[in-house]
Amino acid sequence: DAKTTQPTSMDCAEGRAANLPCNHSTISGNEYVYWYRQIHSQGPQYIIHGLKNNETNEMASLIITEDRKSSTLILPHATLRDTAVYYCIVRSSGANSKLTFGKGITLSVRP
Amino acid sequence: KAGVTQTPRYLIKTRGQQVTLSCSPISGHRSVSWYQQTPGQGLQFLFEYFSETQRNKGNFPGRFSGRQFSNSRSEMNVSTLELGDSALYLCASSSLWGRSNEKLFFGSGTQLSVL
Repeated sequence: DAKTTQPTSMDCAEGRAANLPCNHSTISGNEYVYWYRQIHSQGPQYIIHGLKNNETNEMASLIITEDRKSSTLILPHATLRDTAVYYCIVRSSGANSKLTFGKGITLSVRP
Repeated sequence: KAGVTQTPRYLIKTRGQQVTLSCSPISGHRSVSWYQQTPGQGLQFLFEYFSETQRNKGNFPGRFSGRQFSNSRSEMNVSTLELGDSALYLCASSSLWGRSNEKLFFGSGTQLSVL
């Protein structure tokens, strides 16, 4: 079972920041938070991951709360091409290192 | 650097047949994992290979099998196809296995339709 919970859907206006929340209250100390997105019928695309510090790359920023029980993915300037299903995943190491996908959150960016 | 390559992109089979799907990982990556995606069940883990050895297996029947070659390329096979096997089959690769800090990169998938 997925160890994360996400809202089913959200929308935002093009050009505005999209803030996608994720709860992972049972996360363990050595587990990472990953975000992937999937556009219809394509393979999931890696966005960002982090352990406890905030992370930023060319696609997005990841904000993890101090207790690590939740996180937020931020797309700073959403475009229509960011419309996709976004998956928040908690990943362990060793034999349990597979990615366990939940249902994700459908982000719709409106013009 | 080329991404993860899956072939074929689309496949149509009939019930009872078998099928083999192929995955070429990113150059230098030694770990390959497979996922099945259906509208009803979402993305589910099938199995994972590293250095030609299966390291992890999901909860699928024995009709689903895989292997990895010495060049890290991987194949998965489904025997005695059922209608419910219709799905998008995704392959992902990473440099190493078992590291929680290791990014996985996915291919575009093979869309299998069983008639």
